[in-house]
Amino acid sequence: RKEVEQDPGPFNVPEGATVAFNCTYSNSASQSFFWYRQDCRKEPKLLMSVYSSGNEDGRFTAQLNRASQYISLLIRDSKLSDSATYLCVAVNQAGTALIFGKGTTLSVSS
Amino acid sequence: NAGVTQTPKFRILKIGQSMTLQCAQDMNHNYMYWYRQDPGMGLKLIYYSVGAGITDKGEVPNGYNVSRSTTEDFPLRLELAAPSQTSVYFCASSIVVSDSPNYGYTFGSGTRLTVV
Repeated sequence: RKEVEQDPGPFNVPEGATVAFNCTYSNSASQSFFWYRQDCRKEPKLLMSVYSSGNEDGRFTAQLNRASQYISLLIRDSKLSDSATYLCVAVNQAGTALIFGKGTTLSVSS
Repeated sequence: NAGVTQTPKFRILKIGQSMTLQCAQDMNHNYMYWYRQDPGMGLKLIYYSVGAGITDKGEVPNGYNVSRSTTEDFPLRLELAAPSQTSVYFCASSIVVSDSPNYGYTFGSGTRLTVV
């Protein structure tokens, strides 16, 4: 089982749609999780951290289910500018580095 | 505040040549990392450093070397470049304090390397 797995997509949605991305991780000892956004030919940028209680930042909601080792990202009212690749990230077993999923590509069209 | 600065942005190497990818951060972060990203793939950890004078191998260290003589700089050295090292290289840094959450990374803008 890969350390962080996500559905690569692509997800093609119209503006205004709600879209959800899912991710699973293999290291049950991981303590920290993140979603990063990566635009084409750019560096990844931190979108949001993921907390056990779930957290929301505007149109974005992240959830963590430790029992199932599952992370999700929900985007409401999608904008054209949300088109990007979304990377699911977990801390490695040693707690020293981040392990990245391959990313899920989102394309929002008008 | 420049954040994480990588140079060069682009480079073409011939097989067998060597080069150093430079990375510097001005945020006083203790941890620094080098990742490579191949097309359609996730980022893979090459080397990381938890502080000046300390480096450790990541998932794909073969063909690379690093040093961390100062907190600010973390250069990546390629010896005897091979076509398999064609990739985009990202340097990143973070602040990590024991018993505290990892606050995530700040990335440099990347170096696109082609080995021909």
